[in-house]
Amino acid sequence: AQSVTQPDIHITVSEGASLELRCNYSYGATPYLFWYVQSPGQGLQLLLKYFSGDTLVQGIKGFEAEFKRSQSSFNLRKPSVHWSDAAEYFCAVGARAGGTSYGKLTFGQGTILTVHP
Amino acid sequence: DTEVTQTPKHLVMGMTNKKSLKCEQHMGHRAMYWYKQKAKKPPELMFVYSYEKLSINESVPSRFSPECPNSSLLNLHLHALQPEDSALYLCASSHRVLNTEAFFGQGTRLTVV
Repeated sequence: AQSVTQPDIHITVSEGASLELRCNYSYGATPYLFWYVQSPGQGLQLLLKYFSGDTLVQGIKGFEAEFKRSQSSFNLRKPSVHWSDAAEYFCAVGARAGGTSYGKLTFGQGTILTVHP
Repeated sequence: DTEVTQTPKHLVMGMTNKKSLKCEQHMGHRAMYWYKQKAKKPPELMFVYSYEKLSINESVPSRFSPECPNSSLLNLHLHALQPEDSALYLCASSHRVLNTEAFFGQGTRLTVV
């Protein structure tokens, strides 16, 4: 079964500081990997995705993530955080075709980001 | 248009009521999803439709009944819900089943009283 672990429940950074949110996944092969962001009471917005190819993925709002197969990780980074980045961030893994879980997106528990001025 | 529209945004219903949640997309996506999100928890998959056919039911109680009348619409019919069913219900769609990213709606905040 696929699973995602986000070790940090809550992270606080100062505006302008760099950010790294951790994500580890468990899956039998190379999965589809996603980072979503959610503001309170809102839906989810896709930041970036990894399907194959270049392991460093660029997303919207200046975010990037790196897929490391050896570490089963897909950490999200941003060089300089803005106050508007405060939200909850979810890492998710999607099963590839051929398995019984095809179509299922499994989310991590989420990391709440607080940005201090 | 990269929007998934959910109505209503908020819904309060009694345990004996019947109500429906509606989701609509006009991106030509052929996969649509219902997720349930409890407070301070991640979204959990409920149903997946692929080409208007139900392909995944995550053992959801029968008081939740999904329907996909056409490729643009997805409904979730609710009947005899319990207070613990109160949550944010999120609809999503993707071009095909998860070969591309899923676009999420803003959700329906459901309160069962």
